[in-house]
Amino acid sequence: GAVVSQHPSRVICKSGTSVKIECRSLDFQATTMFWYRQFPKKSLMLMATSNEGSKATYEQGVEKDKFLINHASLTLSTLTVTSAHPEDSSFYICSANGQGQETQYFGPGTRLLVL
Amino acid sequence: AQSVTQLDSHVSVSEGTPVLLRCNYSSSYSPSLFWYVQHPNKGLQLLLKYTSAATLVKGINGFEAEFKKSETSFHLTKPSAHMSDAAEYFCVGSSASKIIFGSGTRLSIRP
Repeated sequence: GAVVSQHPSRVICKSGTSVKIECRSLDFQATTMFWYRQFPKKSLMLMATSNEGSKATYEQGVEKDKFLINHASLTLSTLTVTSAHPEDSSFYICSANGQGQETQYFGPGTRLLVL
Repeated sequence: AQSVTQLDSHVSVSEGTPVLLRCNYSSSYSPSLFWYVQHPNKGLQLLLKYTSAATLVKGINGFEAEFKKSETSFHLTKPSAHMSDAAEYFCVGSSASKIIFGSGTRLSIRP
C-alpha cells in the first residue's frame, strides 16, 4: 500500500514553455502533498506544501507564480513550471501523506530538462 | 531550532561488513524520525520510522535504527552490507508539522 506515482517520469521542453507534472496517491487519500526539488548530489529542497482544496504554502524563495500548484482532489496534485528556463532543470519529487499520518510516501520523481 | 544532521556525507564499507549511518536531531518536541533510501534517479523509499512506540525500530532490507534520546541520535545500521545497498540515505525528522531533511549520506559498497 501507500503508493505515489508521478507523471511524466522524464520531460524535455523548450525554454519559455510550461510543463505540468502530476502526482497521484494510488491507494490512499492524500490530504497533504509536498513538492520537492533535488539538485544533483544534494538533499531534497521543499518547495511547497499543498492541502486538498486550499492554496499551497510556498517555502521562502520559491516563486508561487512560476511554480503553480493545484491540489484539486484527495488523490491528485499538479505542479506546473511556467515559462520554464534552463535553470529550472532539475529532479522534482512529490510526496503525500494521509490525514493524521506523519509518514510521507514519495513519488519516483520527474526529471525536467529545459533546453 | 529544529535540525537533522547526518554526520557523514559518504560512507564506504566492504560487502558483508556492518553498516553505520549516523543521524542526530535537535527538536523542541519529541520528533518522529524516518530513514529513507534513494537509488539513482529514483524517488525515496521508506526504510523505517520511529514514532515513540519502541526505541529500536526494524525496517526493510535488514536495516534497523535505534532512537537514543540521551544522545539525540537515530543511527541506521545493518549487520552485513550487500552490493544492492549502495544508494543515498536520508534521515528525516517531523515535528510540529515541519519536515526536516538531513543532507544525505552516500553509501558505497566495495566488493
